[in-house]
Amino acid sequence: SQQGEEDPQALSIQEGENATMNCSYKTSINNLQWYRQNSGRGLVHLILIRSNEREKHSGRLRVTLDTSKKSSSLLITASRAADTASYFCAPLQAGGGSYIPTFGRGTSLIVHP
Amino acid sequence: GAVVSQHPSRVICKSGTSVKIECRSLDFQATTMFWYRQFPKQSLMLMATSNEGSKATYEQGVEKDKFLINHASLTLSTLTVTSAHPEDSSFYICSARGPFRGEAFFGQGTRLTVV
Repeated sequence: SQQGEEDPQALSIQEGENATMNCSYKTSINNLQWYRQNSGRGLVHLILIRSNEREKHSGRLRVTLDTSKKSSSLLITASRAADTASYFCAPLQAGGGSYIPTFGRGTSLIVHP
Repeated sequence: GAVVSQHPSRVICKSGTSVKIECRSLDFQATTMFWYRQFPKQSLMLMATSNEGSKATYEQGVEKDKFLINHASLTLSTLTVTSAHPEDSSFYICSARGPFRGEAFFGQGTRLTVV
C-alpha cells in the first residue's frame, strides 16, 4: 500500500469560506478515498473517487483527481464550524494486492464561526 | 456504510496491568482488520493487520508480545496491551476491510491512559 501526503498541514478559515486541501501520491492508483477525523474520534469515510474519474461531488464536497500529476484535491464549499476536523486521503495502489489503508499527517482544518 | 464498533471508548489503567480493546464489524463479515495507533496531532500509524483464524502481521517496530491481537471470528478482533506503561497511552483505532476491494470502515477509537 502507499501513503498519501496531505497539504497544507493546517488550514484556518472563516465560516462560509471554501476550504481546499490537496493529496499527493507516488504510484498508480485504483481509487483514492478521503476521510475525516474529528478530534479524539475514529475516521469517517467521505468520498471515493476512482482512477477513471476526474471529479466527484457529494453535498458540499467536491473531489478532483489528476492521475497525470498523481494528486487529488478536496474542496469543502460554504464551510461550517462543524467541518473543523482533520482530513486524510488514502490511495489504493493499482495492480492487485490487498488494500491496507495508510495515512499521511492529514490536513487540520479549523473553521471559525 | 458498514458499522464497526470499538469498545471501550476510553480506559484508564494502572501501570503493569493489561487492557483489552474489542473491534466488531456489526453488519458484515471482516476477514481482515487493522489496528492503528495515533499520538496527538499525528497520523494514524498502522500497528498490525489481523486476519481471521491466523496470526496477525505486525509492522516493523511493533512488539508482538506487548500488543496481542486475536481475530477469532469473522466479526471480532481484539487488541490486548499487556503490562501497560505510561508511554503506551495513546489513541487506538481499529478498521475492518469491507467486502469490496478498497473499502475500509473505522471504529470510533479507544483512548488509553496508563497511570
